[in-house]
Amino acid sequence: NAGVMQNPRHLVRRRGQEARLRCSPVKGHSHVYWYRQLPEEGLKFMVYLQKENIIDESGMPKERFSAEFPKEGPSILRIQQVVRGDSAAYFCASSPRTGGKNIQYFGAGTRLSVL
Amino acid sequence: QQQVKQSPQSLIVQKGGISIINCAYENTAFDYFPWYQQFPGKGPALLIAIRPDVSEKKEGRFTISFNKSAKQFSLHIMDSQPGDSATYFCAAFPSGGYQKVTFGIGTKLQVIP
Repeated sequence: NAGVMQNPRHLVRRRGQEARLRCSPVKGHSHVYWYRQLPEEGLKFMVYLQKENIIDESGMPKERFSAEFPKEGPSILRIQQVVRGDSAAYFCASSPRTGGKNIQYFGAGTRLSVL
Repeated sequence: QQQVKQSPQSLIVQKGGISIINCAYENTAFDYFPWYQQFPGKGPALLIAIRPDVSEKKEGRFTISFNKSAKQFSLHIMDSQPGDSATYFCAAFPSGGYQKVTFGIGTKLQVIP
């Protein structure tokens, strides 16, 4: 985990509230990926972003979920009107560039619990 | 649709034994196969990786065996230690510039003394 910072580490929300997850990539990395990990399941790709652009959001639910990676500041994964099924660990990874097979460095994750 | 099938989902190995985790894939466009190790409460970390032009890669006690014709690859942990207890994920990257990696479901390894 070479420097990807995610916060908060744990987030508790009631149904209907909004969850905002932050990811600061490794310094100098311009590519960010978000994954969701449900209990006893593997990592599922959600979205791939470069600075100010969404490259692939094919793994993200069409409703309530959105992601951004602004020119300045961390990447944000936003879940509106959370439901119990959103409870999971959300991991962010970053890489320096696309092309080749660059290592994706993962953060420690945000564990979202929806009550 | 699970594009990378990983087994077993859980594994208990005696200290000093060999841990073996298997993965199989269907998409022939995959051309890079890493293994990630994840400890509880942590994010996955790259452990070892292989390209299909070699049949085996070894790093310390960790070895990847790759069978291109069978579209299978496996992780072997020699002389398994309690500190190896973690969840292991195989993964596959497609060829080309975009890194939409596909992960296996994970194997929870427990090495008992």
